[in-house]
Amino acid sequence: GAGVSQSPRYKVAKRGQDVALRCDPISGHVSLFWYQQALGQGPEFLTYFQNEAQLDKSGLPSDRFFAERPEGSVSTLKIQRTQQEDSAVYLCASSPRTGRKGYGYTFGSGTRLTVV
Amino acid sequence: QQQVKQSPQSLIVQKGGIPIINCAYENTAFDYFPWYQQFPGKGPALLIAIRPDVSEKKEGRFTISFNKSAKQFSLHIMDSQPGDSATYFCAAGPNFGNEKLTFGTGTRLTIIP
Repeated sequence: GAGVSQSPRYKVAKRGQDVALRCDPISGHVSLFWYQQALGQGPEFLTYFQNEAQLDKSGLPSDRFFAERPEGSVSTLKIQRTQQEDSAVYLCASSPRTGRKGYGYTFGSGTRLTVV
Repeated sequence: QQQVKQSPQSLIVQKGGIPIINCAYENTAFDYFPWYQQFPGKGPALLIAIRPDVSEKKEGRFTISFNKSAKQFSLHIMDSQPGDSATYFCAAGPNFGNEKLTFGTGTRLTIIP
């Protein structure tokens, strides 16, 4: 597609509910990143994939957070037993990854998660 | 060592002025320094990026100045316009931007007519 698509755009979850956030990267982009952006803050890294391999998950805040990209394209970020502190905008980005030349990320518009 | 410090937190500039936003990093493994622009309800959009082998890069009205020895870099916006009003984030990362980025805390820029 023309850009990175994320769905849903908004999600309200009751505390304790499980949620799944979807990211459709730009077609052909090898790398896919998930970031969490709290209100008034910069994005914070969660995890990153190169094709279907999850190469870095050091930013996932707890074992309630899980991400997958089984076929190297669409990715899902799952949060189990949501807590109020999980309320944030979850951003997905993709990158073509072509060796030394950094093309930079293209971000989606994000999913705003509100846990009540 | 992963922090990227950004200042100021907010900035108000008259139309036509040159807002300057500053960032400092600590990790010497960082070799890619992009700036992103974010409008409300949208994801960050890449404006311009620099590698540490150059001290300045210009793209249109946007200029990055880079000081490798001081581990600092800054964004200058020439002939600023009200449409430039947005939040700006600096970031830094290793491996030529192919891995995770560490973002600054953002600068809310307002350009008044």
